[in-house]
Amino acid sequence: GENVEQHPSTLSVQEGDSAVIKCTYSDSASNYFPWYKQELGKRPQLIIDIRSNVGEKKDQRIAVTLNKTAKHFSLHITETQPEDSAVYFCAASRENFGNEKLTFGTGTRLTIIP
Amino acid sequence: DGGITQSPKYLFRKEGQNVTLSCEQNLNHDAMYWYRQDPGQGLRLIYYSQIVNDFQKGDIAEGYSVSREKKESFPLTVTSAQKNPTAFYLCATRGSRGRGRHEQYFGPGTRLTVT
Repeated sequence: GENVEQHPSTLSVQEGDSAVIKCTYSDSASNYFPWYKQELGKRPQLIIDIRSNVGEKKDQRIAVTLNKTAKHFSLHITETQPEDSAVYFCAASRENFGNEKLTFGTGTRLTIIP
Repeated sequence: DGGITQSPKYLFRKEGQNVTLSCEQNLNHDAMYWYRQDPGQGLRLIYYSQIVNDFQKGDIAEGYSVSREKKESFPLTVTSAQKNPTAFYLCATRGSRGRGRHEQYFGPGTRLTVT
C-alpha cells in the first residue's frame, strides 16, 4: 500500500517569512495530493490540492509543487501570518481507480512567531 | 463542515466495553470514512464505505466494526478487542461528482477515553 512520509514534524518561522513542508510517497500510481490544515481543536480542512498531470499550483500565499519522478511534493506558504499556525497534513491517493482512499502523512506543526 | 455531525464530542468508557460512535451527514455524499488521530501519527484510516451496504477495511481495522445501512449514517463500533482505543476519532465524507469530488470533508470528531 501507499506510504507517505512528511517532514519536518515541527517548524517555527518568523512572521512574514516563508515555510516549506515536504512529503514523499511510495506508490507511483498515486495521482492526487491534497494538503489539509488543522487548527487547534478544529477539524482538518482542505487548503490546496494537486493532481499528477500538474507540476505546480498556487492559491494566493500558498503553493504546492509536485515532482512525479522523485515522488515528492511540497507545500509552500509565503508571507506567513499568525493565523497560519496549525498542523498541516499531506496526503496521497489513487483517484479514479476505485476504492479511493487517502493516505496521510504524520503532520507538521507550524508555529508563526510574531 | 456543518453537514457532518459526530456525537458525542467526548466519550468515556470502561475497559472491556464496546462503544459506538455516531457519524451522520446531510451532504448527500456517497463515500464515508473513519479515521483515528493520535499525537505524532497523523490520520490513520480505520474503515471506509463507497456506497450503502458496502464497506472496506482501512489500515487499522482490527478491533473496530462498522455498518452502512443508510447513506446518511456510518457508525463505528470500538470493540473490547481494540488494544488502545483512547484516541480522537474523525468521520469524513466525499462527494461523487463535480469539482469537489476528491475533497474529503471532516466532522468535528469524538474524543474517546477508555480507562
